[in-house]
Amino acid sequence: DAGVIQSPRHEVTEMGQEVTLRCKPISGHDYLFWYRQTMMRGLELLIYFNNNVPIDDSGMPEDRFSAKMPNASFSTLKIQPSEPRDSAVYFCASSSPLGTGKNEQFFGPGTRLTVL
Amino acid sequence: AQSVTQLDSQVPVFEEAPVELRCNYSSSVSVYLFWYVQYPNQGLQLLLKYLSGSTLVKGINGFEAEFNKSQTSFHLRKPSVHISDTAEYFCAVRKGGSEKLVFGKGTKLTVNP
Repeated sequence: DAGVIQSPRHEVTEMGQEVTLRCKPISGHDYLFWYRQTMMRGLELLIYFNNNVPIDDSGMPEDRFSAKMPNASFSTLKIQPSEPRDSAVYFCASSSPLGTGKNEQFFGPGTRLTVL
Repeated sequence: AQSVTQLDSQVPVFEEAPVELRCNYSSSVSVYLFWYVQYPNQGLQLLLKYLSGSTLVKGINGFEAEFNKSQTSFHLRKPSVHISDTAEYFCAVRKGGSEKLVFGKGTKLTVNP
């Protein structure tokens, strides 16, 4: 398996623009997580899905952020409009409660977002 | 809510020296504990996990950790570090019945020659 795939790896945009981050979880995993990592706040859980349904979005900072999971192999995190304080590395992770890697979250390589 | 405290933000050591990275968590009825490693410009990779059973857990790359329920600690150790162990290490806790991981702030381990 290729692991969790995220795109793009780097994104530079200007304040006010819409940004869409993409994630493909590991095949067969039924949980998907979006995290944000910054120097100030560390690693924060934004939202997670189970079987494509959002379970907990209490970490989503504000209405400018939205996440969707239209099917088991794809999720997006959208920021509209973007602001400089959204600059961070965004990670996607997936997991399954079954199998040899159960209870382990597998992380993607991250998307480094810079908002100018 | 669960919380995780990593007491040291940075730990410099010399190659082949032993190292211990400290982690304390807030108490709960049942918790699962994890250590992840992050190399520069990469995602997080699982080092080891404690779910139940033996309190001494062995992971990849020669790391081990000991779950101490009375002290609510899960310190990570390695008897002899290598230059390649230079990375940031994160302790995380998951409450039983929940899929959410709560991470500590991380400890940057720098191994010097």
